Amino acid sequence: AQSVTQLDSQVPVFEEAPVELRCNYSSSVSVYLFWYVQYPNQGLQLLLKYLSGSTLVKGINGFEAEFNKSQTSFHLRKPSVHISDTAEYFCAVRGGSGGGADGLTFGKGTHLIIQP
Amino acid sequence: DTAVSQTPKYLVTQMGNDKSIKCEQNLGHDTMYWYKQDSKKFLKIMFSYNNKELIINETVPNRFSPKSPDKAHLNLHINSLELGDSAVYFCASSQASGANVLTFGAGSRLTVL
Repeated sequence: AQSVTQLDSQVPVFEEAPVELRCNYSSSVSVYLFWYVQYPNQGLQLLLKYLSGSTLVKGINGFEAEFNKSQTSFHLRKPSVHISDTAEYFCAVRGGSGGGADGLTFGKGTHLIIQP
Repeated sequence: DTAVSQTPKYLVTQMGNDKSIKCEQNLGHDTMYWYKQDSKKFLKIMFSYNNKELIINETVPNRFSPKSPDKAHLNLHINSLELGDSAVYFCASSQASGANVLTFGAGSRLTVL
């Protein structure tokens, strides 16, 4: 079984400042890792994913994340945030080598608050 | 074209009533899911279906019954609604092979009074 821990429930950041949202996972098998974003009153949108290969993954809206196997982490970063980045961010994990209908296990979410 | 569409978007009803939420995907995926998001934003899987076959049935009261008439549809029927059923319900779909990236619908907000 897999689990995901998002260490911060809320992160306030000033506009144009950098941000890092932390995510740690637990799994006994190899994993696929994801970050989703949920804007207010909307569904979840995929930001980026790590499947294999390069540990630095680039996503939409200027976000990137780094997979660190030794630290079992997949932290999300953005060098300069905008007001429009205010949203809930979810880290998710899927274990195994692919296939199946297991879905994703989500962390509890981090609310990113951008202050002007 | 909406990839995963859910109806209704909002649903307000009384305790004890029965209600349904419908979900359709036009992505050609073979797997569909229902997730529940509670008031603290926590997302938990309820069910998954692969080619109309139930794969995951998490600890959900049997008042909740999913129905998949075909690969493109997964409906959720809830009997005898309770206050605690108030939540946002998300439908999602994916291809079972490969990385299994989920595409989510916009959600259906259920309020039980």
